[in-house]
Amino acid sequence: AQKITQTQPGMFVQEKEAVTLDCTYDTSDPSYGLFWYKQPSSGEMIFLIYQGSYDQQNATEGRYSLNFQKARKSANLVISASQLGDSAMYFCAMREGISSGSARQLTFGSGTQLTVLP
Amino acid sequence: EAQVTQNPRYLITVTGKKLTVTCSQNMNHEYMSWYRQDPGLGLRQIYYSMNVEVTDKGDVPEGYKVSRKEKRNFPLILESPSPNQTSLYFCASSLGGSNQRTSYEQYFGPGTRLTVT
Repeated sequence: AQKITQTQPGMFVQEKEAVTLDCTYDTSDPSYGLFWYKQPSSGEMIFLIYQGSYDQQNATEGRYSLNFQKARKSANLVISASQLGDSAMYFCAMREGISSGSARQLTFGSGTQLTVLP
Repeated sequence: EAQVTQNPRYLITVTGKKLTVTCSQNMNHEYMSWYRQDPGLGLRQIYYSMNVEVTDKGDVPEGYKVSRKEKRNFPLILESPSPNQTSLYFCASSLGGSNQRTSYEQYFGPGTRLTVT
């Protein structure tokens, strides 16, 4: 079974509008971390935002926020005021077993290609 | 500058010719990993290492070897490359050691694009 599911292969958004990229996850571990990465066309992986399973508040980093709904096992990325430079592939990822200190794999979703239209 | 470096960045080789992709980090990170990225599949972990001389298989370890003799280096070895190993490869490292976000944030290298003919 897929541990990380990103159901939107591609998304379009108008410049200056907000966009939500979906991510659902599957784990039975109570301690896990969720990450979002951006991969522009140049290929590098850029860390955007992190949410711990025990964090009380949704994470925010500038224009990025994470809509964390633990019961629904979803961790959607919200980008506010989209910019042309936001056009990229976006990956959701999860690491399990964090509190035990034995965290191992970082499991990635298949990604969402976001295109910001002028 | 804190970084993860990989070499080479681009490599075209032939089936069966052994190759090594080097990875080095200068952040004294404990965790290091190798991933391959294929269209529609995202990134899949090949091998990871939690510290020197400690390595373990990820999701797709077949056809690959790794070693961790020094903390900073984590080379990926393809003993007998095949065309299905044509991919974009990323090395990554993270601090590890506690449950803080910064301990698990992965720093990625620039990627190595490998083509096996």
